[in-house]
Amino acid sequence: LAKTTQPISMDSYEGQEVNITCSHNNIATNDYITWYQQFPSQGPRFIIQGYKTKVTNEVASLFIPADRKSSTLSLPRVSLSDTAVYYCLVGDMGSYNTDKLIFGTGTRLQVFP
Amino acid sequence: EAGVVQSPRYKIIEKKQPVAFWCNPISGHNTLYWYLQNLGQGPELLIRYENEEAVDDSQLPKDRFSAERLKGVDSTLKIQPAELGDSAVYLCASSFTGSGGTSGSLNYNEQFFGPGTRLTVL
Repeated sequence: LAKTTQPISMDSYEGQEVNITCSHNNIATNDYITWYQQFPSQGPRFIIQGYKTKVTNEVASLFIPADRKSSTLSLPRVSLSDTAVYYCLVGDMGSYNTDKLIFGTGTRLQVFP
Repeated sequence: EAGVVQSPRYKIIEKKQPVAFWCNPISGHNTLYWYLQNLGQGPELLIRYENEEAVDDSQLPKDRFSAERLKGVDSTLKIQPAELGDSAVYLCASSFTGSGGTSGSLNYNEQFFGPGTRLTVL
């Protein structure tokens, strides 16, 4: 299972773009990269998932370089409500006998007015 | 559509007492997860069910923790006896195996989490 490393915390201001990078040097061929968001007193919520290149949805973009050893979650024009903990997970989504999603400590994003 | 339901939301017990948590997953989801989350840490997987079968319980402390998902739908996680170190938030999540399932998710193994049960052991 690929181990992930991400910054413990980040600060930003409203309206700015925030990029959170996750390192996963040991990513395997079948592994997908998934990001979750967690607000206080709530369970994590899925944000975005990708395998390679770039994925974009209504909430965020996910950039994955060709070697897939890292990924960057991009949040455009953050607001105060984006203050949360963001987790990067890497795992083989198709193998339910071996995958074990490890959340790690995540990145605590604080958005200031 | 209702999300993952957990009860109770909060529980305070004295050490050595038993406690049980209940989870009802999203309808149609065949995979159910129980996680433990300590303050300031990410969720840690305790057990994963595929239908009624526990396919991964390697992180479940089996001397005091037990879980069941008898009909492949809702699930119960029990601790007996509880210890001070068990104070944490217990999260339940569910997903549909594969992509494009009945839940409408197009992402592999997208997990939907409940609000959790905050356990305090005194």
